[in-house]
Amino acid sequence: AQSVTQPDIHITVSEGASLELRCNYSYGATPYLFWYVQSPGQGLQLLLKYFSGDTLVQGIKGFEAEFKRSQSSFNLRKPSVHWSDAAEYFCAVASSGSARQLTFGSGTQLTVLP
Amino acid sequence: GAGVSQSPSNKVTEKGKDVELRCDPISGHTALYWYRQSLGQGLEFLIYFQGNSAPDKSGLPSDRFSAERTGGSVSTLTIQRTQQEDSAVYLCATTIQGRELFFGEGSRLTVL
Repeated sequence: AQSVTQPDIHITVSEGASLELRCNYSYGATPYLFWYVQSPGQGLQLLLKYFSGDTLVQGIKGFEAEFKRSQSSFNLRKPSVHWSDAAEYFCAVASSGSARQLTFGSGTQLTVLP
Repeated sequence: GAGVSQSPSNKVTEKGKDVELRCDPISGHTALYWYRQSLGQGLEFLIYFQGNSAPDKSGLPSDRFSAERTGGSVSTLTIQRTQQEDSAVYLCATTIQGRELFFGEGSRLTVL
């Protein structure tokens, strides 16, 4: 069975600093990987996804993520964080492209200091 | 509609009461999912509707939980005889291509 681990429950960064949110997955074959963001009182919004090809994927709002098969990781990065990035971030893995197969991590809460 | 709409946004109920949560999907989206998000947890899959096919109910935690989708559009999640452990945010999501999910803002349920 597939699983997702987000080791950091809560991360605090200063505005303008760089950000990296960690995500490790467990799945035997090449997974389909996703990052979602949930702002307070909002539903989840897709930031980016990896299905195949280039292992560095670009998403919305200036985010990117890199798929590293050797480390079973799909870490999310942003070079300069904005106050509006404060939210909860969820990594998800699927065994196929179908949303029915999605397994979500437990989330990382990001706080941005002025 | 333009987005997935859920109601009520907040619901406080007493233990033992029944509650109904509603989801209006994006027009044309054939697949609809219900998830439960408990404090500090990831999203837990509850149930999945796809077109006219029989729903996938494998994620429902007990027989107190049920859901229906009328006319392939609006869906209702019903929780009977609510318990305190049912307190959570219930999220609805829809998709048309099976990959990217579009989420509603959720219904926050508090069982006293």
